[in-house]
Amino acid sequence: GAGVSQSPSNKVTEKGKDVELRCDPISGHTALYWYRQRLGQGLEFLIYFQGNSAPDKSGLPSDRFSAERTGESVSTLTIQRTQQEDSAVYLCASSLEVFEETQYFGPGTRLLVL
Amino acid sequence: AQKVTQAQTEISVVEKEDVTLDCVYETRDTTYYLFWYKQPPSGELVFLIRRNSFDEQNEISGRYSWNFQKSTSSFNFTITASQVVDSAVYFCALSEALGFTGGGNKLTFGTGTQLKVEL
Repeated sequence: GAGVSQSPSNKVTEKGKDVELRCDPISGHTALYWYRQRLGQGLEFLIYFQGNSAPDKSGLPSDRFSAERTGESVSTLTIQRTQQEDSAVYLCASSLEVFEETQYFGPGTRLLVL
Repeated sequence: AQKVTQAQTEISVVEKEDVTLDCVYETRDTTYYLFWYKQPPSGELVFLIRRNSFDEQNEISGRYSWNFQKSTSSFNFTITASQVVDSAVYFCALSEALGFTGGGNKLTFGTGTQLKVEL
């Protein structure tokens, strides 16, 4: 079946502008995760959704970052007033609900803030 | 706090050589899961394996094998007879349960090991 998809694949924006990144999880997966990967580094957890709820927002770097999920499906990560340090690859993953389920990742959105 | 260490930043081997990627983890949880992911140049993370903390049996899948040793908190990954297509960044990750319902888990990643396999 279809995997996790993300759009856009690449985004170039100017400092101070808002951006929206989209994630479509695998159908039937109730858990959805957002991670950030800076150049040459590992993945950094940002937020996760169980259904449409986000029980843990502790990974969001600042209040400029927000995320929502609707219909237990699509999720949008919004970065307001982008800064150059926001430049990174933003990866989305989904999994079935239970604790031990494996997370399957999308191809990511490469964000460059000029 | 959980931590995953991949001390090898970059490894270069010649095709057909065996190579082992090291992973050492820290956790206070008694129940946890360990993962390896492959990230080829295309960027997409590809799931390779998941092991739970109660199962220390080594696993082999084709040219890949994994050695989980709880006593040393290590989960090493060996590629036998490496091929050029194995060139990628490999990440080791550790799961941490989130919330009280047991739903979902947060992955803590190591910084990755860049493997280059040359002809």
